[in-house]
Amino acid sequence: SQTIHQWPATLVQPVGSPLSLECTVEGTSNPNLYWYRQAAGRGLQLLFYSVGIGQISSEVPQNLSASRPQDRQFILSSKKLLLSDSGFYLCAWQQNTEAFFGQGTRLTVV
Amino acid sequence: QQQVKQSPQSLIVQKGGIPIINCAYENTAFDYFPWYQQFPGKGPALLIAIRPDVSEKKEGRFTISFNKSAKQFSLHIMDSQPGDSATYFCAARGAQKLVFGQGTRLTINP
Repeated sequence: SQTIHQWPATLVQPVGSPLSLECTVEGTSNPNLYWYRQAAGRGLQLLFYSVGIGQISSEVPQNLSASRPQDRQFILSSKKLLLSDSGFYLCAWQQNTEAFFGQGTRLTVV
Repeated sequence: QQQVKQSPQSLIVQKGGIPIINCAYENTAFDYFPWYQQFPGKGPALLIAIRPDVSEKKEGRFTISFNKSAKQFSLHIMDSQPGDSATYFCAARGAQKLVFGQGTRLTINP
């Protein structure tokens, strides 16, 4: 069966510090991978998606970047965090129809 | 064109009642319509889904009604329970990605 791992679960970072969130998928090959952000009490904002190694599509201009160095690994990064980067970050994979989400990372920028 | 509009934003129902959450879309190229359930601090989980060639789908206490001509679909929860209290997202599948509604925070009072 397929599983998705996302870590860390919570993170508190100072403004201006770098960020690296990692997501890995097991039990499938060549999945579409996604990063979403969810502000408190709000909907899901698609940040990036990838249909293959090294292929990244950005949905919104922002302070973040994404990379896919391996087929089942998706990384969300920032060189310098802003207060507005705080939120709940979700990784997801999709193959054919359904999307399956990780458990999320709660990022607080202080 | 790529939006999915979801209503209401929040909903409070007594136990045993039938909450109804509605979604509307514009893009006729959408070909798959899932609903996700999210508990606080967790990632969304697939609840039930429907294709546009079907008008209704039931899984347990959850029913999707789909009106292709009106480009609307809705989620009904029969015999609602306090454990159904969560945020619900509708979505529609377009090219390579899901487009999500803004979410409905559902509270079932005992």
